[in-house]
Amino acid sequence: AQKVTQAQTEISVVEKEDVTLDCVYETRDTTYYLFWYKQPPSGELVFLIRRNSFDEQNEISGRYSWNFQKSTSSFNFTITASQVVDSAVYFCALSGLFSGGYNKLIFGAGTRLAVHP
Amino acid sequence: DTAVSQTPKYLVTQMGNDKSIKCEQNLGHDTMYWYKQDSKKFLKIMFSYNNKELIINETVPNRFSPKSPDKAHLNLHINSLELGDSAVYFCASSQGVAGSSSYNEQFFGPGTRLTVL
Repeated sequence: AQKVTQAQTEISVVEKEDVTLDCVYETRDTTYYLFWYKQPPSGELVFLIRRNSFDEQNEISGRYSWNFQKSTSSFNFTITASQVVDSAVYFCALSGLFSGGYNKLIFGAGTRLAVHP
Repeated sequence: DTAVSQTPKYLVTQMGNDKSIKCEQNLGHDTMYWYKQDSKKFLKIMFSYNNKELIINETVPNRFSPKSPDKAHLNLHINSLELGDSAVYFCASSQGVAGSSSYNEQFFGPGTRLTVL
Protein backbone atom coordinates (compact mmCIF):
# COMPACT_ATOMS: atom_id res chain seq x y z
CA ALA A 1 0.00 0.00 0.00
CA GLN A 2 1.08 3.57 -0.54
CA LYS A 3 1.72 5.41 2.66
CA VAL A 4 3.51 8.50 3.90
CA THR A 5 4.64 8.75 7.50
CA GLN A 6 5.65 11.97 9.17
CA ALA A 7 6.48 10.74 12.63
CA GLN A 8 7.17 14.19 14.09
CA THR A 9 3.82 15.67 15.03
CA GLU A 10 5.24 18.92 16.38
CA ILE A 11 8.68 20.47 16.47
CA SER A 12 9.59 23.58 18.39
CA VAL A 13 12.85 25.43 17.76
CA VAL A 14 14.37 28.79 18.48
CA GLU A 15 15.11 31.12 15.61
CA LYS A 16 18.36 30.44 13.75
CA GLU A 17 18.39 26.78 14.67
CA ASP A 18 18.50 24.23 11.87
CA VAL A 19 15.60 21.81 11.78
CA THR A 20 14.93 18.62 9.82
CA LEU A 21 11.47 17.34 9.07
CA ASP A 22 11.32 13.62 8.41
CA CYS A 23 9.27 11.89 5.75
CA VAL A 24 9.23 8.13 5.19
CA TYR A 25 7.16 6.58 2.44
CA GLU A 26 6.00 3.16 1.32
CA THR A 27 5.20 2.30 -2.26
CA ARG A 28 5.30 -0.62 -4.65
CA ASP A 29 5.73 1.67 -7.62
CA THR A 30 9.10 1.91 -9.31
CA THR A 31 8.19 5.32 -10.68
CA TYR A 32 6.71 7.73 -8.21
CA TYR A 33 6.76 11.37 -7.16
CA LEU A 34 7.40 12.97 -3.80
CA PHE A 35 6.30 16.42 -2.73
CA TRP A 36 6.56 18.88 0.12
CA TYR A 37 3.91 21.50 0.86
CA LYS A 38 3.83 24.26 3.46
CA GLN A 39 0.64 25.38 5.20
CA PRO A 40 1.25 28.60 7.15
CA PRO A 41 -1.20 29.81 9.82
CA SER A 42 -3.13 31.70 7.13
CA GLY A 43 -4.23 28.30 5.81
CA GLU A 44 -3.19 28.16 2.18
CA LEU A 45 -1.13 25.27 0.85
CA VAL A 46 2.12 26.29 -0.78
CA PHE A 47 3.98 23.96 -3.12
CA LEU A 48 7.66 23.65 -2.21
CA ILE A 49 9.17 20.84 -4.24
CA ARG A 50 8.46 17.81 -6.42
CA ARG A 51 10.97 15.03 -6.90
CA ASN A 52 10.62 11.94 -9.09
CA SER A 53 11.95 8.58 -8.05
CA PHE A 54 14.74 8.56 -10.63
CA ASP A 55 16.27 11.75 -9.37
CA GLU A 56 18.09 11.18 -6.11
CA GLN A 57 20.07 14.36 -6.22
CA ASN A 58 19.67 16.50 -3.17
CA GLU A 59 18.23 19.92 -3.77
CA ILE A 60 18.93 23.24 -2.13
CA SER A 61 16.80 26.33 -2.46
CA GLY A 62 17.99 29.15 -0.25
CA ARG A 63 17.61 28.01 3.36
CA TYR A 64 15.66 24.91 2.30
CA SER A 65 17.23 21.61 1.35
CA TRP A 66 15.86 18.19 0.62
CA ASN A 67 17.54 14.82 1.06
CA PHE A 68 16.01 12.00 -0.98
CA GLN A 69 17.27 8.50 -0.15
CA LYS A 70 15.61 5.59 -1.92
CA SER A 71 17.54 3.08 0.17
CA THR A 72 15.73 4.22 3.29
CA SER A 73 12.54 5.41 1.51
CA SER A 74 12.97 8.85 2.98
CA PHE A 75 12.58 12.37 1.67
CA ASN A 76 13.64 14.67 4.48
CA PHE A 77 13.40 18.44 4.52
CA THR A 78 15.88 20.69 6.30
CA ILE A 79 15.47 24.35 7.08
CA THR A 80 18.74 26.08 7.87
CA ALA A 81 18.78 29.09 10.19
CA SER A 82 15.06 28.90 10.82
CA GLN A 83 12.97 32.04 11.02
CA VAL A 84 9.65 32.83 12.65
CA VAL A 85 8.07 32.97 9.18
CA ASP A 86 8.90 29.29 8.75
CA SER A 87 6.29 28.44 11.38
CA ALA A 88 3.74 26.30 9.58
CA VAL A 89 2.49 22.78 9.08
CA TYR A 90 4.60 20.95 6.53
CA PHE A 91 3.19 18.07 4.52
CA CYS A 92 5.03 15.39 2.63
CA ALA A 93 3.10 13.64 -0.17
CA LEU A 94 3.51 10.78 -2.60
CA SER A 95 1.94 9.79 -5.91
CA GLY A 96 2.44 6.68 -8.00
CA LEU A 97 0.83 4.66 -10.73
CA PHE A 98 -0.45 1.83 -8.54
CA SER A 99 -1.94 4.10 -5.91
CA GLY A 100 -4.47 5.67 -8.20
CA GLY A 101 -2.23 7.42 -10.66
CA TYR A 102 0.39 10.10 -10.64
CA ASN A 103 -2.21 12.78 -10.06
CA LYS A 104 -3.44 11.34 -6.77
CA LEU A 105 -1.43 12.80 -3.90
CA ILE A 106 -1.29 10.80 -0.71
CA PHE A 107 -0.40 13.09 2.13
CA GLY A 108 1.33 12.44 5.40
CA ALA A 109 -0.25 13.70 8.59
CA GLY A 110 1.93 16.80 8.61
CA THR A 111 4.52 18.20 10.99
CA ARG A 112 3.75 21.41 12.83
CA LEU A 113 6.87 23.55 13.12
CA ALA A 114 6.93 26.40 15.60
CA VAL A 115 9.88 28.76 15.40
CA HIS A 116 10.21 31.02 18.41
CA PRO A 117 12.08 34.33 18.49
CA ASP B 1 -3.56 37.48 -10.51
CA THR B 2 -4.89 34.66 -8.35
CA ALA B 3 -3.88 31.32 -9.84
CA VAL B 4 -6.48 29.09 -8.17
CA SER B 5 -9.44 30.84 -6.59
CA GLN B 6 -12.32 29.50 -4.55
CA THR B 7 -15.57 31.04 -3.44
CA PRO B 8 -16.73 31.43 -0.82
CA LYS B 9 -13.85 31.50 1.65
CA TYR B 10 -16.17 30.79 4.56
CA LEU B 11 -19.47 28.97 4.51
CA VAL B 12 -21.65 28.52 7.57
CA THR B 13 -24.88 26.62 7.10
CA GLN B 14 -27.44 24.44 8.80
CA MET B 15 -27.61 20.66 8.65
CA GLY B 16 -29.70 19.43 5.77
CA ASN B 17 -28.98 22.37 3.48
CA ASP B 18 -27.47 22.13 0.02
CA LYS B 19 -24.44 24.26 -0.81
CA SER B 20 -21.89 24.76 -3.57
CA ILE B 21 -18.25 25.79 -3.62
CA LYS B 22 -16.80 27.20 -6.82
CA CYS B 23 -13.25 26.89 -8.08
CA GLU B 24 -11.50 28.53 -10.98
CA GLN B 25 -7.91 28.35 -12.17
CA ASN B 26 -6.19 30.65 -14.64
CA LEU B 27 -3.00 28.60 -14.99
CA GLY B 28 -4.08 26.83 -18.17
CA HIS B 29 -3.91 23.49 -16.38
CA ASP B 30 -5.98 20.59 -17.61
CA THR B 31 -6.45 18.74 -14.32
CA MET B 32 -8.35 19.93 -11.27
CA TYR B 33 -8.98 18.43 -7.84
CA TRP B 34 -10.98 18.67 -4.66
CA TYR B 35 -9.40 17.82 -1.31
CA LYS B 36 -10.87 17.73 2.16
CA GLN B 37 -8.84 18.74 5.22
CA ASP B 38 -10.35 17.65 8.50
CA SER B 39 -9.99 19.20 11.93
CA LYS B 40 -6.77 17.25 12.53
CA LYS B 41 -5.29 18.74 9.37
CA PHE B 42 -5.42 15.44 7.51
CA LEU B 43 -5.66 16.02 3.75
CA LYS B 44 -7.45 13.57 1.49
CA ILE B 45 -8.29 13.73 -2.17
CA MET B 46 -11.96 13.53 -3.10
CA PHE B 47 -12.18 14.01 -6.86
CA SER B 48 -10.13 14.88 -9.89
CA TYR B 49 -11.10 15.96 -13.38
CA ASN B 50 -8.93 16.01 -16.46
CA ASN B 51 -10.30 18.05 -19.33
CA LYS B 52 -13.79 17.88 -17.82
CA GLU B 53 -13.64 14.12 -17.35
CA LEU B 54 -13.72 12.49 -13.94
CA ILE B 55 -10.49 10.56 -13.36
CA ILE B 56 -10.37 10.17 -9.59
CA ASN B 57 -13.41 9.47 -7.48
CA GLU B 58 -12.55 8.49 -3.96
CA THR B 59 -14.94 6.93 -1.52
CA VAL B 60 -17.01 9.94 -0.65
CA PRO B 61 -20.75 10.03 0.03
CA ASN B 62 -22.78 10.55 -3.11
CA ARG B 63 -24.13 13.71 -1.50
CA PHE B 64 -20.95 15.24 -2.91
CA SER B 65 -21.11 15.91 -6.62
CA PRO B 66 -18.38 17.65 -8.58
CA LYS B 67 -19.13 19.46 -11.81
CA SER B 68 -16.64 20.69 -14.38
CA PRO B 69 -18.24 22.98 -16.96
CA ASP B 70 -14.86 23.56 -18.61
CA LYS B 71 -11.26 22.75 -17.81
CA ALA B 72 -10.77 26.00 -15.88
CA HIS B 73 -13.62 25.36 -13.45
CA LEU B 74 -14.45 22.63 -10.99
CA ASN B 75 -17.35 23.16 -8.64
CA LEU B 76 -18.37 21.05 -5.68
CA HIS B 77 -22.00 20.65 -4.75
CA ILE B 78 -22.97 19.10 -1.44
CA ASN B 79 -26.50 17.94 -0.70
CA SER B 80 -28.09 17.37 2.69
CA LEU B 81 -25.15 18.69 4.66
CA GLU B 82 -24.16 16.84 7.82
CA LEU B 83 -22.14 17.88 10.86
CA GLY B 84 -19.27 15.65 9.71
CA ASP B 85 -18.94 17.63 6.50
CA SER B 86 -17.44 20.49 8.46
CA ALA B 87 -13.90 20.86 7.14
CA VAL B 88 -11.71 22.97 4.89
CA TYR B 89 -12.14 22.11 1.23
CA PHE B 90 -9.29 22.83 -1.12
CA CYS B 91 -9.38 23.03 -4.85
CA ALA B 92 -6.16 22.41 -6.78
CA SER B 93 -4.96 22.23 -10.34
CA SER B 94 -2.03 20.74 -12.19
CA GLN B 95 -0.63 20.18 -15.63
CA GLY B 96 -1.60 16.61 -16.43
CA VAL B 97 0.67 16.02 -19.36
CA ALA B 98 3.36 13.53 -18.41
CA GLY B 99 6.82 14.63 -19.36
CA SER B 100 6.25 18.36 -18.93
CA SER B 101 8.58 19.98 -16.45
CA SER B 102 5.73 20.88 -14.14
CA TYR B 103 3.85 17.61 -14.53
CA ASN B 104 1.48 16.93 -11.60
CA GLU B 105 2.75 19.80 -9.45
CA GLN B 106 -0.52 20.67 -7.79
CA PHE B 107 -1.29 24.27 -6.93
CA PHE B 108 -3.92 24.84 -4.32
CA GLY B 109 -6.58 27.44 -3.84
CA PRO B 110 -6.96 29.31 -0.53
CA GLY B 111 -9.52 26.83 0.82
CA THR B 112 -13.16 27.11 1.84
CA ARG B 113 -13.93 26.59 5.50
CA LEU B 114 -17.30 24.90 5.73
CA THR B 115 -19.06 24.86 9.09
CA VAL B 116 -22.26 22.86 9.44
CA LEU B 117 -24.36 23.73 12.49
